[in-house]
Amino acid sequence: DSGVTQTPKHLITATGQRVTLRCSPRSGDLSVYWYQQSLDQGLQFLIQYYNGEERAKGNILERFSAQQFPDLHSELNLSSLELGDSALYFCASSVGGVETGELFFGEGSRLTVL
Amino acid sequence: GEDVEQSLFLSVREGDSSVINCTYTDSSSTYLYWYKQEPGAGLQLLTYIFSNMDMKQDQRLTVLLNKKDKHLSLRIADTQTGDSAIYFCAERWRDSSYKLIFGSGTRLLVRP
Repeated sequence: DSGVTQTPKHLITATGQRVTLRCSPRSGDLSVYWYQQSLDQGLQFLIQYYNGEERAKGNILERFSAQQFPDLHSELNLSSLELGDSALYFCASSVGGVETGELFFGEGSRLTVL
Repeated sequence: GEDVEQSLFLSVREGDSSVINCTYTDSSSTYLYWYKQEPGAGLQLLTYIFSNMDMKQDQRLTVLLNKKDKHLSLRIADTQTGDSAIYFCAERWRDSSYKLIFGSGTRLLVRP
């Protein structure tokens, strides 16, 4: 158990819909990272938050957004869903700052868009 | 670019050694990592190596780093069926985000 909790574990929805994925980081971790894992594109970095503020943005679509709340949990919002958004979405956390940089991953949220 | 490259698949016999290779992008990367993903699970850190090291050994795992060629390898000695999983190498990106850039993963299949 990494200490990172993601909900829901599985989600099936239709094209055009909107979903919210939730992540609770390990206790004490200030950084939250979102990654997308799809069959054809491997593990892609989406976005990072550190202590409530966006720190880095990767290959995140404009239809997607995220935020980190004062209690440090994070949500990834996916809207106007397309078939190609079907993937496993991972959240990871770390202490943040200058250290070995180990990321602790949740078990992921599997999104299926029909 | 941000492409970390790995071969997609490796099959070995139980008891043999496995060597998984990776080519990363940034010769100034400070930390390089190997993560393991078992079916239905998240990624778990196996080991990491600091860029001023050439080799790191941790029980059955040996990491070799060739900075000149930006090549990283993971050797698993006495490979067991429980080692069957996807193995990802990752480099810490050069900016202040400390985000990790992952390779596409190598699927290791251990045959009995």
